[in-house]
Amino acid sequence: DAGVIQSPRHEVTEMGQEVTLRCKPISGHNSLFWYRQTMMRGLELLIYFNNNVPIDDSGMPEDRFSAKMPNASFSTLKIQPSEPRDSAVYFCASSLARLAQSQETQYFGPGTRLLVL
Amino acid sequence: QQPVQSPQAVILREGEDAVINCSSSKALYSVHWYRQKHGEAPVFLMILLKGGEQKGHEKISASFNEKKQQSSLYLTASQLSYSGTYFCGTPREGAQKLVFGQGTRLTINP
Repeated sequence: DAGVIQSPRHEVTEMGQEVTLRCKPISGHNSLFWYRQTMMRGLELLIYFNNNVPIDDSGMPEDRFSAKMPNASFSTLKIQPSEPRDSAVYFCASSLARLAQSQETQYFGPGTRLLVL
Repeated sequence: QQPVQSPQAVILREGEDAVINCSSSKALYSVHWYRQKHGEAPVFLMILLKGGEQKGHEKISASFNEKKQQSSLYLTASQLSYSGTYFCGTPREGAQKLVFGQGTRLTINP
């Protein structure tokens, strides 16, 4: 199995630019999670989807952040406009939830290291 | 609310043992343990689903005390490969989302 795939692995951009991060979950998984990791705030959940539907986006920092999951094999996290404080590592994770509230293992992708200058 | 991990950092010599604790002020329904090596993604270690449950993975084991709302991760005869940051994650009630602790950085020296 290929595991969770994220692209790009590294992104350097200037303040004000649009940034799009991409994620392909493990085939057959029906839940997808976007996390942000920084030294100051640790590992934070931004949003998660179940069967392509956003379930909880309470962790999305502000309107500049948006996420979509148009199908079961693809999701994007977009930041527009980007700011230096958005610099972080962004992880995507997926799991197979057999029940709506079941606690299943989450498999993390390699992450996208974002630097906003 | 974020679970609290202790200690924040541990430095050991190869072969020594370590215990990492994870506690919550709210009821725990399950506890997930992950390890993250520097520059890499978190990797799943184990889930404890029931109070009193204990599990093992290589020489790493964990226990879950539901009444005390805490879990402990035990690393026995530590190896260099155990170095990394260990996170516990706990779910919100009725939700799949995990809230992670701040992490415990474990350094194993030869």
